[in-house]
Amino acid sequence: KQEVTQIPAALSVPEGENLVLNCSFTDSAIYNLQWFRQDPGKGLTSLLLIQSSQREQTSGRLNASLDKSSGRSTLYIAASQPGDSATYLCAASSNSGYALNFGKGTSLLVTP
Amino acid sequence: DAGVIQSPRHEVTEMGQEVTLRCKPISGHDYLFWYRQTMMRGLELLIYFNNNVPIDDSGMPEDRFSAKMPNASFSTLKIQPSEPRDSAVYFCASRDGGVAGYTFGSGTRLTVV
Repeated sequence: KQEVTQIPAALSVPEGENLVLNCSFTDSAIYNLQWFRQDPGKGLTSLLLIQSSQREQTSGRLNASLDKSSGRSTLYIAASQPGDSATYLCAASSNSGYALNFGKGTSLLVTP
Repeated sequence: DAGVIQSPRHEVTEMGQEVTLRCKPISGHDYLFWYRQTMMRGLELLIYFNNNVPIDDSGMPEDRFSAKMPNASFSTLKIQPSEPRDSAVYFCASRDGGVAGYTFGSGTRLTVV
């Protein structure tokens, strides 16, 4: 089973800054890794999915990378905006099972 | 597709009552997952199904919890009897067997008083 850790737990940045959220996982036999966004009181919105054979994925201002050997993934957000304020969750699954195991999330606040 | 559909959105019940949460996965998805989210423990996997068959139920907290998937388009999570510590948001998710990601429903917020 994947154990997923996210650092930092909370982050506050001024609008316009580029930022990096970190995620680490324990099983290098990863099947895939997915980043989600969760707004307060809401469900999970998928941001990016990286398969084990991929190194990174990009969508707009978001870029996610995957390094299986070091057990790490990063989510890069360019030119942050107040609307990016939310909790970002990293989740990984292993080849031995297809369930996603989640980190506790990084709570991001982008101030105007 | 309408996505993963969960009902009810909110449920308030008294301790000791039976609670049934419902989920309709995306058509064609052959994996279905039930998760529970609390402030203390985050998102925890309860159980998942493949082709309507339970594969891993090791996350089900105790015998009061049960889940079924009678067909490819419907699943239930039942708690009987409910307790205040079961209060949480319960999410259902589905995915296909290929390389697509997981899609989550909007969740059911359960409050047991």
